[in-house]
Amino acid sequence: AQSVTQLDSHVSVSEGTPVLLRCNYSSSYSPSLFWYVQHPNKGLQLLLKYTSAATLVKGINGFEAEFKKSETSFHLTKPSAHMSDAAEYFCVVSDLGNQFYFGTGTSLTVIP
Amino acid sequence: GAVVSQHPSRVICKSGTSVKIECRSLDFQATTMFWYRQFPKQSLMLMATSNEGSKATYEQGVEKDKFLINHASLTLSTLTVTSAHPEDSSFYICSASWGSFPYEQYFGPGTRLTVT
Repeated sequence: AQSVTQLDSHVSVSEGTPVLLRCNYSSSYSPSLFWYVQHPNKGLQLLLKYTSAATLVKGINGFEAEFKKSETSFHLTKPSAHMSDAAEYFCVVSDLGNQFYFGTGTSLTVIP
Repeated sequence: GAVVSQHPSRVICKSGTSVKIECRSLDFQATTMFWYRQFPKQSLMLMATSNEGSKATYEQGVEKDKFLINHASLTLSTLTVTSAHPEDSSFYICSASWGSFPYEQYFGPGTRLTVT
C-alpha cells in the first residue's frame, strides 16, 4: 500500500533562509513522487517530480528534492526563502496505476 | 502544455438546487479524470475516478447519486452536485491524466462551491 507522511503541518522561516519540508513515503513498488504547491483558493502547481531517474530532482522556483530510498524520504528544499513561497505544499506518491496518494500538507510561512 | 481548466471558478447556489462543474483538458486527451474535494486547511480527498466512456469509480463514502460524474469525451468531465446542501460547500478540484506509467496528473484551478 502507498502512503505519504508530511512530518510538519506548519513550517515558519525567515525570508532569505533555507527551507526544508519533510516527506516520508511508503510504497510497495518503485514509486513516483511529486511535490505540489497550492496558493490560497488556487489549484495545485507541480514543483518537481521523481520518476526513477536522477535521485536529486530540480524543480521550479529554486526548489529541489532528493529521493533517498534507504530512508524512504523525499524532502523538499530551497536555499533561500522568498515571500512568494508562502503557501501550502503537498507531497504525493503514485503507484503503478495512476492514483495519487496525498500527504496532509505543510503550510509554509515566510517571515519578512 | 497539459493545461486543465475548470468552470465555473466560483458558484453560489441555493440549498436543494443542482450545480454542474466542468473540467476540460485544453491541449491533450485525458484518458482518466479525477475529482477531488478539499476542506479548508486540509488535503485533497479523492472522490472519484472516471475513464472516458465508462462509469466513474467512486471512493468509499462518496454518494454516487449525489455527485454525478460524466466523462463523455477525452477532454471533458463534469461533476454535478445534486440537491445541494450547505455541507456540500467546498473546494472541488479536478485533474486529468494520460499516457502510461509513470503517470502524472494535471490539476485544474478548482471551483469554490457555496451552498446557501
